[in-house]
Amino acid sequence: NAGVTQTPKFQVLKTGQSMTLQCAQDMNHNSMYWYRQDPGMGLRLIYYSASEGTTDKGEVPNGYNVSRLNKREFSLRLESAAPSQTSVYFCATKTGTASYGYTFGSGTRLTVV
Amino acid sequence: AQSVTQPDIHITVSEGASLELRCNYSYGATPYLFWYVQSPGQGLQLLLKYFSGDTLVQGIKGFEAEFKRSQSSFNLRKPSVHWSDAAEYFCAVGMFSGGYNKLIFGAGTRLAVHP
Repeated sequence: NAGVTQTPKFQVLKTGQSMTLQCAQDMNHNSMYWYRQDPGMGLRLIYYSASEGTTDKGEVPNGYNVSRLNKREFSLRLESAAPSQTSVYFCATKTGTASYGYTFGSGTRLTVV
Repeated sequence: AQSVTQPDIHITVSEGASLELRCNYSYGATPYLFWYVQSPGQGLQLLLKYFSGDTLVQGIKGFEAEFKRSQSSFNLRKPSVHWSDAAEYFCAVGMFSGGYNKLIFGAGTRLAVHP
């Protein structure tokens, strides 16, 4: 039981390059989230998906797109990477009501040069 | 607006000393409160959570937290810190807002432990 799996763990991009961060869960959770973590700012929500086929913007969606093609997978795409997108990205899942905790992946450390 | 404040960016304690990490929140309804810990290079691990009932909650690794509604606080405590507790700690508030369940994080407190 892997929980939430993120790939890759590390990535270096040049400005303007594109890439997709992958997230897969085996917990059968409906809701999935993408966060970014920056020093002194905690985690901020980029996009979320309440269920398969639906996605919505969070606090900081600019420069990102997402795709939820099935219940297991939720991908985050950077179409044209910028240095401001250097960050650690976390995928998370949850089920049930707001009272239930979230399960986080181990993160992807992205550097844009 | 909803927000979570962790006033201490860095805290250093000696091994064996007691610890208290502060967390204050701003939210109009009953909050669901969480503390997460992040070791260097790792993901976030849930330490404990408060939904309702007893305002003193016990978590893993010997941590506890107390919810004080009058102070809008949810401070994390440990009576005796171990070197392995060195990590970053995040307080978070869970809510249903804007049509979805969301988790709002504080900026984090980085804990260093001196031998």
